[in-house]
Amino acid sequence: DTEVTQTPKHLVMGMTNKKSLKCEQHMGHRAMYWYKQKAKKPPELMFVYSYEKLSINESVPSRFSPECPNSSLLNLHLHALQPEDSALYLCASSQDRYGQKFAAQYFGPGTRLTVL
Amino acid sequence: AQTVTQSQPEMSVQEAETVTLSCTYDTSENNYYLFWYKQPPSRQMILVIRQEAYKQQNATENRFSVNFQKAAKSFSLKISDSQLGDTAMYFCAFMKEEGKLIFGQGTTLQVKP
Repeated sequence: DTEVTQTPKHLVMGMTNKKSLKCEQHMGHRAMYWYKQKAKKPPELMFVYSYEKLSINESVPSRFSPECPNSSLLNLHLHALQPEDSALYLCASSQDRYGQKFAAQYFGPGTRLTVL
Repeated sequence: AQTVTQSQPEMSVQEAETVTLSCTYDTSENNYYLFWYKQPPSRQMILVIRQEAYKQQNATENRFSVNFQKAAKSFSLKISDSQLGDTAMYFCAFMKEEGKLIFGQGTTLQVKP
C-alpha cells in the first residue's frame, strides 16, 4: 500500500483567510514533504520533516507554516497568502531519510489552491 | 550544484509502439539514486522506476525500462507497447544524499490511438 491522502482536493481562499492543508500516510514512513507545483512545471520542495522534526525549510515565506503532529500526519497552515501562491500543493512521504537515504518518495493527489 | 535536464518538452507515440524519453544529469557525487515519475492529467505523481547509481544493471518494471549510462550521466526511459494510459507528463529526478529530489522540467508524452 503506497497511499498518501490529502484534503481538501480543492481550496479557494481570500488573502485574509486562514486555512490548513492536511496530509496523511499509513505506510510507516518517517519522512514527509511539502511541495508546490505550478502548471506544467516540476514540483518545488518547500519543507521536509524527518522523524517529526523539521529538517529542511527551503526559504519558504512565513505565511506558510508546516506542522507534523505525529508520524502519520502533516499539515500546512496558510495565512495571508498572495494570488501568486495559487498552485497545486503536493505531499509526499518516504520510508526513512536516514536509514535509507535514497528511499523513493510517494506522492499524494495534491490540493489545488486558488488565492483570490 | 546538481542539475537534471530533459531536452524533449513534448513527444508523441502511436499506441503499441515504443518510445524513449531522455534525461541527463550533472553531479560530482558517486552515490545517488535516479527516478522517473509519471503525472497523468489527473495530477497524481506516480513513481515509475528507480535506479541505484552503484548498480550496473538497468532497472525494469514491466513495460518500463531504463538505459543508465553512469559515465555519460544519462538516464533514459523506454516505454514498450505504449498504451493510452501512458499519456502523462514524465519527470526525471535525481536524489541527493540528504533526500532532496531534483526534478527535470518534464516531458509531456501523448499516446495516440
